[in-house]
Amino acid sequence: GEEVAQTPKHLVRGEGQKAKLYCAPIKGHSYVFWYQQVLKNEFKFLISFQNENVFDETGMPKERFSAKCLPNSPCSLEIQATKLEDSAVYFCASGESRVEFFGPGTRLTVL
Amino acid sequence: KQEVTQIPAALSVPEGENLVLNCSFTDSAIYNLQWFRQDPGKGLTSLLLIQSSQREQTSGRLNASLDKSSGRSTLYIAASQPGDSATYLCAVRTETSGSRLTFGEGTQLTVNP
Repeated sequence: GEEVAQTPKHLVRGEGQKAKLYCAPIKGHSYVFWYQQVLKNEFKFLISFQNENVFDETGMPKERFSAKCLPNSPCSLEIQATKLEDSAVYFCASGESRVEFFGPGTRLTVL
Repeated sequence: KQEVTQIPAALSVPEGENLVLNCSFTDSAIYNLQWFRQDPGKGLTSLLLIQSSQREQTSGRLNASLDKSSGRSTLYIAASQPGDSATYLCAVRTETSGSRLTFGEGTQLTVNP
């Protein structure tokens, strides 16, 4: 597709539940990025992939967060045992040649 | 570690004014710098992308400049309109950051009719 698609738009979880977010990158893009936007504007990088391989995971809280990009499947970001502070908008972006295109985001609310 | 700062944090102007938003970054070894717009509850819209070898980019009423050596960029908006009201984010891609973007905290712009 010509746009990065993210599902679901909104996700509500009770504290301790699992949350799984999906991202379909633009066809032909080799790179996929996940960012977390908390509070008003603070963007935090989580992880990036080059094709199905992890490229940079320095931003991932590894205890509860995991991500995958498998061939012929949407990429996914999974949070085990969600905490209140995981409430945020999670943006996926895909790109080539150091230019990224962002999806509309998934708003996760942890109650 | 790259840090990006945007000034001012918020700006309120009357319609028709020309305005300048500022962005500074600590590590000048960047690949490119990008200005985004974010409307409340929405995703990011890319406005302008400046490569490290470029000094400025223009799109319509928007002009972005880049001074890599001093670690600064400005976004100039001419003849502002109420529809320009949004948060403007500056983000840089650093040579040592594995291709990810580092974002500033944004300038929240309100243009009053």
